[in-house]
Amino acid sequence: NAGVTQTPKFQVLKTGQSMTLQCAQDMNHEYMSWYRQDPGMGLRLIHYSVGAGITDQGEVPNGYNVSRSTTEDFPLRLLSAAPSQTSVYFCASSHREGANEKLFFGSGTQLSVL
Amino acid sequence: AQTVTQSQPEMSVQEAETVTLSCTYDTSESDYYLFWYKQPPSRQMILVIRQEAYKQQNATENRFSVNFQKAAKSFSLKISDSQLGDAAMYFCAVPLLSRAGNMLTFGGGTRLMVKP
Repeated sequence: NAGVTQTPKFQVLKTGQSMTLQCAQDMNHEYMSWYRQDPGMGLRLIHYSVGAGITDQGEVPNGYNVSRSTTEDFPLRLLSAAPSQTSVYFCASSHREGANEKLFFGSGTQLSVL
Repeated sequence: AQTVTQSQPEMSVQEAETVTLSCTYDTSESDYYLFWYKQPPSRQMILVIRQEAYKQQNATENRFSVNFQKAAKSFSLKISDSQLGDAAMYFCAVPLLSRAGNMLTFGGGTRLMVKP
């Protein structure tokens, strides 16, 4: 029962470095998304995908890229890390289209940008 | 754009008593769902309860229930017989965009403390 798997769990970057946060789900979910959670705040949607080959921007997309080449994987790329991107990042997936389906969340990646 | 407001940054409740967490939202959608998620210190996001906006009846899940006032766009969470394990951050959420399925926008959260 892997569910949604995020790697790494922790990461420290220097300003200007790039990296990719990995997200994989084994539930054959069509919808996948990335959120960030800043200290003491709720989650904000960065990017989302409604299926392989289809992605779109959420509330806070600047500084991030995504791609969805397979149903299972949805990596998030930080192009040039900035201290403002220090946050906890959550990947989520859901079974099908519809506002009634619950999201399955990964355990999060704690990212610090120095 | 949809917005979600949780006006209580922190709440405290005595074990075995009842507490209500508030949430108001703004949406242009006519048919939607609303959600409460719990986030314990482990950081895991756990769905507590969901409400269908077109249903008059308030949702209930064991000790958790909602008071949904559609006209007022209010969606409060009531926790009865509070337990130590209920201590967590609680987030109210609504769908962000109708075209985006169930991509959610979250409120800022309420930290619930449970006193033994």
